[in-house]
Amino acid sequence: DQQVKQNSPSLSVQEGRISILNCDYTNSMFDYFLWYKKYPAEGPTFLISISSIKDKNEDGRFTVFLNKSAKHLSLHIVPSQPGDSAVYFCAASLDQGGKLIFGQGTELSVKP
Amino acid sequence: SQTIHQWPATLVQPVGSPLSLECTVEGTSNPNLYWYRQAAGRGLQLLFYSVGIGQISSEVPQNLSASRPQDRQFILSSKKLLLSDSGFYLCAWNRGALGNTEAFFGQGTRLTVV
Repeated sequence: DQQVKQNSPSLSVQEGRISILNCDYTNSMFDYFLWYKKYPAEGPTFLISISSIKDKNEDGRFTVFLNKSAKHLSLHIVPSQPGDSAVYFCAASLDQGGKLIFGQGTELSVKP
Repeated sequence: SQTIHQWPATLVQPVGSPLSLECTVEGTSNPNLYWYRQAAGRGLQLLFYSVGIGQISSEVPQNLSASRPQDRQFILSSKKLLLSDSGFYLCAWNRGALGNTEAFFGQGTRLTVV
């Protein structure tokens, strides 16, 4: 039972344009959502998070949007840079401070 | 500052052999500890998590087990490895307190069972 889903395994974007990564979840009890970035053969690194009481959180070039009614969140990266090329994972938590459930990941490729 | 160490970085083991992967966290106390696995082309699957010494929760029935003999030490084990145990294993921790869900990951162990 995949509670957190990233339906696009890959995304290719031109440098300078916007990258939009999507994530859907099934459990309405999730109350905290996070995005991680991962390079091959390395552990994931935290990017940005959002609490379920908010619908938007912004940090520099990264913005996460949460649509609770649709059980959908997205990560916007603008402008995209070649160094952003990596696998991006969304994750959700049932209680703040608890275990994280991850999606399958989306591989982003930003072309110069 | 807090750091997480995971070793070894790579491991090649024959089918039927035992496994022991170790993870330690420094700079914090009473962390939540996690073992995840990333199989080839797949997402991050939560295998085990622990909220305290000797407390282990298993998420997926499998050929693996976990133990937490000390507050900041988390061990992933198997008595007999299967080919399907191959993958990229990641240890992680978070503070386990309200508002501190962000988890920090180790560098991972690439396990190949041959």
